[in-house]
Amino acid sequence: NAGVMQNPRHLVRRRGQEARLRCSPMKGHSHVYWYRQLPEEGLKFMVYLQKENIIDESGMPKERFSAEFPKEGPSILRIQQVVRGDSAAYFCASSRTSGDPSYNEQFFGPGTRLTVL
Amino acid sequence: AQRVTQPEKLLSVFKGAPVELKCNYSYSGSPELFWYVQYSRQRLQLLLRHISRESIKGFTADLNKGETSFHLKKPFAQEEDSAMYYCALTGTGANNLFFGTGTRLTVIP
Repeated sequence: NAGVMQNPRHLVRRRGQEARLRCSPMKGHSHVYWYRQLPEEGLKFMVYLQKENIIDESGMPKERFSAEFPKEGPSILRIQQVVRGDSAAYFCASSRTSGDPSYNEQFFGPGTRLTVL
Repeated sequence: AQRVTQPEKLLSVFKGAPVELKCNYSYSGSPELFWYVQYSRQRLQLLLRHISRESIKGFTADLNKGETSFHLKKPFAQEEDSAMYYCALTGTGANNLFFGTGTRLTVIP
């Protein structure tokens, strides 16, 4: 089991371009979480998805950010018209079943470091 | 509003010395607390959770509701303990984790 996979590991975009970050959960996991870590800050929750459903997007910025987890393929975090403030490390985590991390460990990917020039 | 505070960004101790990484939290309900660790060039991983009341790699953490703290302790630090440590919480039935800013522990040989 290769664990949670994220690609690309590093992504450079110019202001106004689109960024697409991919996350493949661990085998057998159907729950995906995205977190963002700005410089000098802790990881902040963005969105929780199950296959084909967004369960909790309370941490997602209202504009330019979207996420999906299709029936087939990886989960995608999409950032449109990136700005310098979007520069951060974006982490994906997956869990096997219920979203409550008290009972179902979230396994983290290596992260994607986005740099906006 | 929920908040996790790790007051020390950097902590250095000598090998064999006791180590304590501080974590204080603020949460209106009944939280669940965790410690995550990230070793050099590795991904973030769960170290321990308070509901398990377990000791992992010699580390323990006790939830003190009166002081709203969940400090991580180890009586004798080892070089391999050098890493970034994050305290995190979640609310009952919640889906997501709320993280502190982390403490980088360096164990000096």
